[in-house]
Amino acid sequence: NAGVTQTPKFRVLKTGQSMTLLCAQDMNHEYMYWYRQDPGMGLRLIHYSVGEGTTAKGEVPDGYNVSRLKKQNFLLGLESAAPSQTSVYFCATSRSETQYFGPGTRLLVL
Amino acid sequence: GQQVMQIPQYQHVQEGEDFTTYCNSSTTLSNIQWYKQRPGGHPVFLIQLVKSGEVKKQKRLTFQFGEAKKNSSLHITATQTTDVGTYFCAGPRGGSNYKLTFGKGTLLTVNP
Repeated sequence: NAGVTQTPKFRVLKTGQSMTLLCAQDMNHEYMYWYRQDPGMGLRLIHYSVGEGTTAKGEVPDGYNVSRLKKQNFLLGLESAAPSQTSVYFCATSRSETQYFGPGTRLLVL
Repeated sequence: GQQVMQIPQYQHVQEGEDFTTYCNSSTTLSNIQWYKQRPGGHPVFLIQLVKSGEVKKQKRLTFQFGEAKKNSSLHITATQTTDVGTYFCAGPRGGSNYKLTFGKGTLLTVNP
């Protein structure tokens, strides 16, 4: 029972490159979320999903896209990375109010 | 929009001292949650408070929810080095219980 896993753990990108972050959960939770965490800014919601095949914008969605083709997976895409997207990205899942977080992906955009 | 403010932003204590962090919301909350994030780690759920004036304890940690359900506090008695980390409060976002607005957190460091 792995809980929530994220791939990759760390990545360095050049400005303009694209990449996809993968979040996988084995808890059968309906809700999934992508957050970014920057120093002094707390956790900010990028996009979220209330079930398979659904996605919605959060607080800071610009520059990101998401997909939830399977219930257990939630993908976060950066089409053209910018230095401002350097951050730690956390995926989270929930059945109701309590959220369970993955270990995070550290992304550096040069 | 809804804001959740947390103070202080940082707190450094000597081991054995007490610690308190405060959380204030611009709107009335149906519930409030607290999470802890160890350095280099991910946020981990600690507790949820639902009732007005509710007080819950977990060993040396005491959580309170204000009477007006707009503020909350976390108090740690006799801190230990294992308490080091950032403590976040979070409340439902936009009337939806499955979306949360997080405070910016309080970073606690403990000098042994």
